[in-house]
Formats: sequence, C-alpha cells, structure tokens
Amino acid sequence: GENVEQHPSTLSVQEGDSAVIKCTYSDSASNYFPWYKQELGKGPQLIIDIRSNVGEKKDQRIAVTLNKTAKHFSLHITETQPEDSAVYFCAASRDSGGGADGLTFGKGTHLIIQP
Amino acid sequence: EAGVVQSPRYKIIEKKQPVAFWCNPISGHNTLYWYRQNLGQGPELLIRYENEEAVDDSQLPKDRFSAERLKGVDSTLKIQPAELGDSAVYLCASRVREGRNEQFFGPGTRLTVL
Repeated sequence: GENVEQHPSTLSVQEGDSAVIKCTYSDSASNYFPWYKQELGKGPQLIIDIRSNVGEKKDQRIAVTLNKTAKHFSLHITETQPEDSAVYFCAASRDSGGGADGLTFGKGTHLIIQP
Repeated sequence: EAGVVQSPRYKIIEKKQPVAFWCNPISGHNTLYWYRQNLGQGPELLIRYENEEAVDDSQLPKDRFSAERLKGVDSTLKIQPAELGDSAVYLCASRVREGRNEQFFGPGTRLTVL
C-alpha cells in the first residue's frame, strides 16, 4: 500500500517569512495529492491540491509543487500570518475513474508562526 | 451548502461498552469515508462507501467494528465492545463520485474509552 512521509514534524517561522513542508510517497500509481489544515478540535480542511499531470499550482499565498519522478511534493506558504498556525497534513490517493481510494496521510507538521 | 455533519462531538465510555457514531454527508456526495485519527497522527482510512456499497473495508477491524450506510446517505460506525486503544477522533468525509477529487471532512467525534 501507499506510504507517505512528511517533514518536518514541527516548523517555527517568523511572521512574514515563508514556510515549506515536504512529503514523499511510495506508490507510483497515486495521482492526487491534497494538503489539509487542521486546527485544534476541528476536522481537516482542504487548502490546496494537485493532480499528477500538473507540476505546480498556486492559490494566493499558498503553492504546491510535485515531482513525479522523485515521488515528492511540497507545500509553500509565503508571507505567513498568525492565522496560518495549525497542523498541516499532506496526503496521496489514486483516482482510477471508478472512484477515489481513501487518502493516505502523512503524520503532520505543526506550523508555529512567531509574532 | 451545509458541510459534513457528525454526532456526537464527544463521547466518553467505559471499556467493553458499545458506541456508535453518526455521519450525514454533504448532499449529493456519493462517496463516504470513515477515518480514525490517533493523537498526534494523520487520519487513517477505516472504510469507504460508494453509495450504499462498502467498496473498501480492508482496514476495518471487523471483530469489533461495523458500519452501515442505509439508502446511500447517512452512515453509522459502531464499536462493540470498545477497548482502551479505540480512544481517538473518528472522522467522516464525503466526496462527489465523478470528477472532482476533493474530500470534505466533518468535525469528528472524539471518543475516550476509560
């Protein structure tokens, strides 16, 4: 089955600086890679995703890059703000057209924005 | 549009007792997932439904866990009997079957087994 590794487990950055979280996956059949943000006591919230036919995707301050050959993908947050503080999860799954498999998640990164 | 609804939000039970969690997915979402999230970990898939059919229950501990999705809408996840190691957050997610991949999660049910 799929295995997703995520680093670092904790990341502390100064407000206004950039944050980068990296993930690797093992199953070359995986073709969908979402990122979720989870705040305390809440369910994961999708913030951005990318499919395997795209190398990069950006949405305002958030961007995701994918390297299929190396089987790794990264989340980039620029101009960090206090409200970006949360736990971030990367995930991977296969969508065969007949329905998407369940997501395999990384262990999460606790992002701390220092004022 | 209402999100995924789960109840109860919190549940505390003694070990060996039964417990059930309920999920109402986003209207029109054919695919429903149950995940378990242990403290400090990412969610792990328990079961996936396509309409009323369980198409992937390989990770569901079938000796004590059961699930159903009658009429392909609401779903219930049950544990009987609960063990100390079942303490976790149980998350429900739903997705439109065709086209978009996004899974939308509910707030979860936090289970504490004493």
